[in-house]
Amino acid sequence: GAVVSQHPSWVICKSGTSVKIECRSLDFQATTMFWYRQFPKQSLMLMATSNEGSKATYEQGVEKDKFLINHASLTLSTLTVTSAHPEDSSFYICSARGTSGGSSSYEQYFGPGTRLTVT
Amino acid sequence: GQNIDQPTEMTATEGAIVQINCTYQTSGFNGLFWYQQHAGEAPTFLSYNVLDGLEEKGRFSSFLSRSKGYSYLLLKELQMKDSASYLCAVRDRRELSFGAGTTVTVRA
Repeated sequence: GAVVSQHPSWVICKSGTSVKIECRSLDFQATTMFWYRQFPKQSLMLMATSNEGSKATYEQGVEKDKFLINHASLTLSTLTVTSAHPEDSSFYICSARGTSGGSSSYEQYFGPGTRLTVT
Repeated sequence: GQNIDQPTEMTATEGAIVQINCTYQTSGFNGLFWYQQHAGEAPTFLSYNVLDGLEEKGRFSSFLSRSKGYSYLLLKELQMKDSASYLCAVRDRRELSFGAGTTVTVRA
């Protein structure tokens, strides 16, 4: 199956600083990438959807100025958590969907996740 | 959006069969997915149903009834490694939405 990588896998930062998380599709081109957030023992909540070369679409209640998403190429999307606060501590997971044909056209492949802890 | 319901927890014995039900309400149904998620890890794809019926893949099978807004994931010959959270996810025209997940505990 297709592989999606995330970096870093975990990060600890101080309150008020910014953190950038990278999501890469390694062996396919991802026209659409999704960013999810998951709090302990809860389900994945979609934060935003990004299409290559265009602005991200944010879900209701997600601050676009706080969670900056850039999808500059068909294999890379980044999520920057700006001015992080302890309540932003969570498990952030990206997902990518392929261009066309084969299983990658409907299936979303998930990255391994990034655990963010804000102190 | 979607309203996706699945049981919170299930417990079964090694070697047994467990069925996880999922009901959903959505506009513009475009497929139902089941994912397995171990604690602290990202979800891994198990199955995809877009037409009514049963899809079998080894020890795991998934069923869909679009008219009833209902799906189930059947886990056979349970193994200890199957202890995980199982997420039902429904896609509409735009996005994939997840249920809260069912934590399955397999006991020896």
